[in-house]
Amino acid sequence: SAVISQKPSRDICQRGTSLTIQCQVDSQVTMMFWYRQQPGQSLTLIATANQGSEATYESGFVIDKFPISRPNLTFSTLTVSNMSPEDSSIYLCSAEGEGFSEAFFGQGTRLTVV
Amino acid sequence: AQKITQTQPGMFVQEKEAVTLDCTYDTSDPSYGLFWYKQPSSGEMIFLIYQGSYDQQNATEGRYSLNFQKARKSANLVISASQLGDSAMYFCAMREYVGDTGTASKLTFGTGTRLQVTL
Repeated sequence: SAVISQKPSRDICQRGTSLTIQCQVDSQVTMMFWYRQQPGQSLTLIATANQGSEATYESGFVIDKFPISRPNLTFSTLTVSNMSPEDSSIYLCSAEGEGFSEAFFGQGTRLTVV
Repeated sequence: AQKITQTQPGMFVQEKEAVTLDCTYDTSDPSYGLFWYKQPSSGEMIFLIYQGSYDQQNATEGRYSLNFQKARKSANLVISASQLGDSAMYFCAMREYVGDTGTASKLTFGTGTRLQVTL
């Protein structure tokens, strides 16, 4: 199984600023995913990040708001740009293992925008 | 249409008792996988158990077992001998294959069930 280190674990940010969340995987993985979980809600996929190509965004999410980098097979970042209180959520990164049955998550970033 | 349905927003169970958390799914793909995750108040997603659509036997992992009824499209999680530390949100999720390459799709999550274990 893969171990994913995500940081920061939490942050309180001023509106209008940006926050970059980092995820480091202890092994090489092909696909990484970024999810948002709004308070009291389920997880919603923001985008899929493959190494060497542009991230693929889900409906309702745009690159200008959530730019993603995937410079290699073990690392990815998500930036939440020009934040507003509506961006207050838990953000989670996930990585697929070699097998179809493996989907691991980082510890999550609890973001509060004031 | 909802791909993953969890109809129990909240459940209570007494310590040491067993509890079943319901999950139904909708797919026309013959190849898919079903996952259960636990999310404590800290926010991390903890993988519990996996069931593949072609698996003949129900998956088990310690105190967790998955009651997989393919014809009914249900994948209920059974937690035996509940402990206070089991109190958390529980999410059911599904993954399907996409495209000719057979690569796995994103995970689709249900709305979750909040389990509270009482003394």
